[in-house]
Amino acid sequence: NAGVTQTPKFQVLKTGQSMTLQCAQDMNHEYMSWYRQDPGMGLRLIHYSVGAGITDQGEVPNGYNVSRSTTEDFPLRLLSAAPSQTSVYFCASSTPGQGAGGYTFGSGTRLTVV
Amino acid sequence: DAKTTQPPSMDCAEGRAANLPCNHSTISGNEYVYWYRQIHSQGPQYIIHGLKNNETNEMASLIITEDRKSSTLILPHATLRDTAVYYCIVRGGMDSSYKLIFGSGTRLLVRP
Repeated sequence: NAGVTQTPKFQVLKTGQSMTLQCAQDMNHEYMSWYRQDPGMGLRLIHYSVGAGITDQGEVPNGYNVSRSTTEDFPLRLLSAAPSQTSVYFCASSTPGQGAGGYTFGSGTRLTVV
Repeated sequence: DAKTTQPPSMDCAEGRAANLPCNHSTISGNEYVYWYRQIHSQGPQYIIHGLKNNETNEMASLIITEDRKSSTLILPHATLRDTAVYYCIVRGGMDSSYKLIFGSGTRLLVRP
């Protein structure tokens, strides 16, 4: 199993450009989430999804869009990149239920906006 | 979701037990305690979780007090590779059980 795969691993954008961060999981997990982590800080939840066709906002959703057309994929779109969006982005997935164990995280996408 | 309080940093000697405390005094009856760690800049790694009974797996043990207001993660024989930031998270009730909200965690340094 590949687990949670994020692409690209590194990206440099110019201010105002748009791009999509890809996230795919092969574990048939219903729950998927996107986090950002700024240098020296903890992770903050951007958007999450409890299943195909269902998404909701997390703690810091502004400037980002998501969609969930399949169980496997949960792309994160930056509409108009800003330097404040320079961060490491992590995608994670999990099965439903409190006792089902934890989230599996991807290895991250390191984004720099200049 | 209940908030958690953790010391910002701790250290222990290699080969000794590392005991990481977490306070979650506002936890409700259907909320679980989860522990994750993040080594350097890697993605967080799930360690263990529990509701009210003590739990043990190949990585660690989780001790939850009887009133469930605090817990301790125990790494029985810490190694240098256990140096990481450890996050204690209370995962919400049925309305929000899918959300995982991170706090600032405890930075554990394992000394040679």
